[in-house]
Formats: sequence, structure tokens, C-alpha cells
Amino acid sequence: DAGVIQSPRHEVTEMGQEVTLRCKPISGHNSLFWYRQTMMRGLELLIYFNNNVPIDDSGMPEDRFSAKMPNASFSTLKIQPSEPRDSAVYFCASSSQRLAGNNEQYFGPGTRLTVT
Amino acid sequence: AQSVTQLGSHVSVSEGALVLLRCNYSSSVPPYLFWYVQYPNQGLQLLLKYTTGATLVKGINGFEAEFKKSETSFHLTKPSAHMSDAAEYFCAVSDREDSSYKLIFGSGTRLLVRP
Repeated sequence: DAGVIQSPRHEVTEMGQEVTLRCKPISGHNSLFWYRQTMMRGLELLIYFNNNVPIDDSGMPEDRFSAKMPNASFSTLKIQPSEPRDSAVYFCASSSQRLAGNNEQYFGPGTRLTVT
Repeated sequence: AQSVTQLGSHVSVSEGALVLLRCNYSSSVPPYLFWYVQYPNQGLQLLLKYTTGATLVKGINGFEAEFKKSETSFHLTKPSAHMSDAAEYFCAVSDREDSSYKLIFGSGTRLLVRP
């Protein structure tokens, strides 16, 4: 299995530009999570999907952030417009939640975003 | 609300010494419990998890953790540290009564291994 795939691995952009981060979950997993990691705030859950439906987006910091999951094998996290304080590592994780207790999450390698 | 406390943001041990990383959870109903490791510039990787049954759980790379209900703890140990163990370690919990299966992560403990 290829694991969770994220692209790009690194993104450098200027303030005000639109940024799109992409994630391909592990085949067969029905839940997908987007996290943000910074030195100041640690690991934060932004949003998660179950069976392609957004369940909880309470962690999304502002309306500038949006996420979609058009099908079971693809999700995007978009920031428009981007700001320097959005600089962080963004992780995508997936899990299979069909069995009680089997909710371990598998993380992708992350996208390091730098907004100048 | 469920919370996780990792005591010590940084732990330093000598190579060959015992590793002990502490994790306490807050709920009265024991949650599912996890330890993840993050190596530099990588994503989080599952070390081990406790769902039910035997309270001493063995994971990868020689790590193990013991669930102690009376202490609401799930501390991570390794008898002998190796240089390659230097990384950040995260304890996480998932509420058994929450159908969302979200993981709540601790703030992490950075392990430094001295030669």
C-alpha cells in the first residue's frame, strides 16, 4: 500500500495567493482528517470527513479555509487568500472506522507551507 | 471534554538508558489510547495502541505502554534507548462513546538521546 499521499510536499507562496493542498487517502479508508502543525499551537485538527461528508469543521480557523472531498480517493484543503500566519505543516490522515476501536489514523508526509 | 496531558515537553536520556514518556487522560470512561512517533520532516507513525484486553501493549521498535485505569495513565517505555529513537512522541485518545472517532492529541514530548 502506498500510504496516504499528499502533494505538494513543499509550497512557497506570496501573501494573498490561493493555495491548494491535496490528499489521497489509503484505499478503503472511509474517514479523512486534515491537521495543521505549528511550533506555537502543536497539532490541530482542522476538519474531518466520514464517507466523503464533512462531519466537523469547527477547527477551521477562518472562512479563508475550505476543504472538499469529492470522492473517496481525493480531498483538497484550500486557503484563499493566504496569509503569513498560515505558514505551517499540513497533514492529511485517513482511517477505517468500520470496526469498533479500529480508529487508528494513518498520516501522510505533510505539506510544508510557507507564505511570505 | 476529553483531554490528554503529556508531562515534559522535552526528555533527555543517554543511549542505553530507560526511556519513560508520560501520558495521562482525563475521562472517567477509559478511552482508546495511542502513541505516535514523528521523526524530523515526516508524518506521524503509529507506535502502539490499546483498545481492550491485556493492559501491557507492545509496539514497534521495542516500545511498550501500560494502561493503568486507576492512574488514568498510558506511559510509554523502552528499556534501552537508541540514537534512532530521537523524535517527537504524541499520546492520543479516542472517546469510546464518541461515534466521530476523533483523536485528541497531547502536546508532544521531544526525546533527545545523548551518545
